[in-house]
Amino acid sequence: RKEVEQDPGPFNVPEGATVAFNCTYSNSASQSFFWYRQDCRKEPKLLMSVYSSGNEDGRFTAQLNRASQYISLLIRDSKLSDSATYLCVVVDSNYQLIWGAGTKLIIKP
Amino acid sequence: DVKVTQSSRYLVKRTGEKVFLECVQDMDHENMFWYRQDPGLGLRLIYFSYDVKMKEKGDIPEGYSVSREKKERFSLILESASTNQTSMYLCASTPGTSGGLIYEQYFGPGTRLTVT
Repeated sequence: RKEVEQDPGPFNVPEGATVAFNCTYSNSASQSFFWYRQDCRKEPKLLMSVYSSGNEDGRFTAQLNRASQYISLLIRDSKLSDSATYLCVVVDSNYQLIWGAGTKLIIKP
Repeated sequence: DVKVTQSSRYLVKRTGEKVFLECVQDMDHENMFWYRQDPGLGLRLIYFSYDVKMKEKGDIPEGYSVSREKKERFSLILESASTNQTSMYLCASTPGTSGGLIYEQYFGPGTRLTVT
């Protein structure tokens, strides 16, 4: 089992819809969590951190479920410009960053 | 505006050649990283450095070496390129010291290396 797993997708979603995807992690001692966004042929960029209490930034909401060991990302009122690959990152107890392989999202007009 | 630059966007090399990939950051960050990214796999850490002349092996250091002679520059070296090193190589930097790994990573644009 991979340490960090994501559904590779693609998720094909109509513009304006709400979409959510998860990222599961295997190490229960993991301590920090992030979502990065990577556009096609570009570098990853930090989208948001994931706090224990959840985190909302505009149309984006990130949640952490420690009991089930997953983090989630919800995008409301999706825009064409949200099309990208979303990478989750888990920081383990040794401060090592473990990257998921990413979930590809395609927003269709 | 923060900036991480990489010496080449695309590179084609022959098997057995020595390859140098350069990364420069202008943010005075202590930590610098080299990753490779392959389809279906997450970013995999090759090497990182938390100070000048310091280096630490990541998850897949075999076949690679690094050099950090100046704070702003971190070089990745493929001593003898092989076809299985065809990949996207990403350089990143973060501020801070030992705990700096949990800070935001700033990435360069990547170098797509093809080894034939």
